[in-house]
Parts: sequence; structure tokens; C-alpha cells
Amino acid sequence: KQEVTQIPAALSVPEGENLVLNCSFTDSAIYNLQWFRQDPGKGLTSLLLIQSSQREQTSGRLNASLDKSSGRSTLYIAASQPGDSATYLCAVKRLWNYGGSQGNLIFGKGTKLSVKP
Amino acid sequence: SQTIHQWPATLVQPVGSPLSLECTVEGTSNPNLYWYRQAAGRGLQLLFYSVGIGQISSEVPQNLSASRPQDRQFILSSKKLLLSDSGFYLCAWSWAGGNQPQHFGDGTRLSIL
Repeated sequence: KQEVTQIPAALSVPEGENLVLNCSFTDSAIYNLQWFRQDPGKGLTSLLLIQSSQREQTSGRLNASLDKSSGRSTLYIAASQPGDSATYLCAVKRLWNYGGSQGNLIFGKGTKLSVKP
Repeated sequence: SQTIHQWPATLVQPVGSPLSLECTVEGTSNPNLYWYRQAAGRGLQLLFYSVGIGQISSEVPQNLSASRPQDRQFILSSKKLLLSDSGFYLCAWSWAGGNQPQHFGDGTRLSIL
């Protein structure tokens, strides 16, 4: 059974600092991995998706890496800003059928990030 | 562009009452649709998914049900709510198959009294 763990559960940093959020998963047979952002009381916003054959994806100040063999992914946020404060969720895609491409996401519990001005 | 709508945004219901949450997607056809629940202290849990009209798969046995009466409409229902049904319910869609990201609605906060 796939389990996704995110450490730390909460993180507080001063504005301008570079930071890394961690995600680990128990079954390396994933189809892809997706990072989301969730603001309080809101839905999820997709940030980055890394395919199983990829090592990293970048979008602006965000960089996500994937090491399937070790079951780990990191989300790097450069030059953090107060607007980055949110909960960041990691999710891996589980296939419904072997050899297919459809499936659903299994989520970690998230890391709550607070960036202080 | 595609948009996803959920309503209501918040709902307070007594134990034993029925439930109907609605989700619609615009700007796409034949999407995969999903219902998740986010309970306090727990991660997002997939409740139901659908790959087409009338096709519903359940991930977790419970007193909830889902229906997809139209291509871009997904409904979460219950005949009698339990206290344990409280939580934040999120609807999501994705293109079918492949490395397509899931896109979420703004959620419904359900409180059971």
C-alpha cells in the first residue's frame, strides 16, 4: 500500500530565505508526482508535475526533484516571500490497471509554510 | 480555458439529514472526475472517481454515494449524514490518462451537528 509522508509538518522562515520541502513515498512504482499549494479554506492549486521518467521540473522560483529509486521528492522554493505562505501537498499517482495510464493521486498530509516579513 | 465549480461553499447539516454536493466542469469534455475528503489531521482521501457518464468507482466504503448524470457534472450524496462525515470536500478533474495534472475546485466545508 502506497504511503506518502511529508516532513516537516510545519515550517517558519524569514522572508528571502531559500527552503526545501520533503516528500517520501513507500512504493517506487509511481506514474508521476505532483506538488500542490493549498491556501486556508481553499482548494488545491497545481504547482508542478514530474513524470516518472523525469528528474526535475521548474516553474519560476519553484524547483521540484524526483528520485524514484529512493522514494523521495523535494520542492525547492527560492527567495521565499510572505505570499508563499500556504500548505504544500505532495501526491503520487497510482495506476488503476497495470500497463494503463489512468489512476488517482495519493496525498501526503502536507507541510504548512509560514514566511515572515 | 477550463473551470471547475463546487457548491455550496459551506454547509451545516444535522445528523441524519440528506446531503447533495454538486460539482461542474466547464471548457472540457469527457474529463475524469474525483471527489476527495480532507478531514482534520488527515490527508486528502479519495472517495469516488469517474471516467465517464454513469461510471462511478468507490475507494472507501461509507454512507456516501456519487453520481455522474452528465459528462461534466459530478454529485456527492448521502441519505443520512453521520458526525464522521464532517470535513472539507473537494472535487477535481483531469484529462483522461497520461501525465495530466488534477485541477481542484474551491471545496465545500461540511459541518455536521
